[in-house]
Amino acid sequence: NAGVTQTPKFQVLKTGQSMTLQCAQDMNHNSMYWYRQDPGMGLRLIYYSASEGTTDKGEVPNGYNVSRLNKREFSLRLESAAPSQTSVYFCASSALGTGDSGNTIYFGEGSWLTVV
Amino acid sequence: QKEVEQDPGPLSVPEGAIVSLNCTYSNSAFQYFMWYRQYSRKGPELLMYTYSSGNKEDGRFTAQVDKSSKYISLFIRDSQPSDSATYLCAMGTGGYNKLIFGAGTRLAVHP
Repeated sequence: NAGVTQTPKFQVLKTGQSMTLQCAQDMNHNSMYWYRQDPGMGLRLIYYSASEGTTDKGEVPNGYNVSRLNKREFSLRLESAAPSQTSVYFCASSALGTGDSGNTIYFGEGSWLTVV
Repeated sequence: QKEVEQDPGPLSVPEGAIVSLNCTYSNSAFQYFMWYRQYSRKGPELLMYTYSSGNKEDGRFTAQVDKSSKYISLFIRDSQPSDSATYLCAMGTGGYNKLIFGAGTRLAVHP
């Protein structure tokens, strides 16, 4: 059971380059999320998708775009990478978007992105 | 001031010790509280979920929520080297799109 799968795991980009982080979940979840994790900052929500066909901005959306390709897949795109986007990126999913006890958020293993 | 404050550690304890991890928060509207464990180079995994105030126990782990003090704790009894990880608190109200994470506390349990 793969859960949440992210690719690539590691990437180095030059300033101004673009790239897409891919995420897929095999748990038939409705809601998917993209977070970034920086030292001393905790996890911060970039974008989320409450259900297939919808996407909304989170706390730190600037410089990113997302696509909910289908129920399984949710991609994150950096159009013109900047050094401030150097971070660890986590994709996550949950059955529903509500904060219920039985509605756990499952995280992928992370993508380490460095922008030079 | 951050909405959720968490001591970053690192916290180093001997095997078998009782560990106390804590978070404070400022938003009295938070209704649910969670603790995640994150091993190095891995994604967070949910350890404990608590709704509103009170205690919850699961094996060696106990989560406490004191809403009057805006303070939550995670206790680990009989700590093991396998408990060495970063522990993140998280809390929110409504949907998970409003979930706020603490910065995490690094814990090292040495044999």
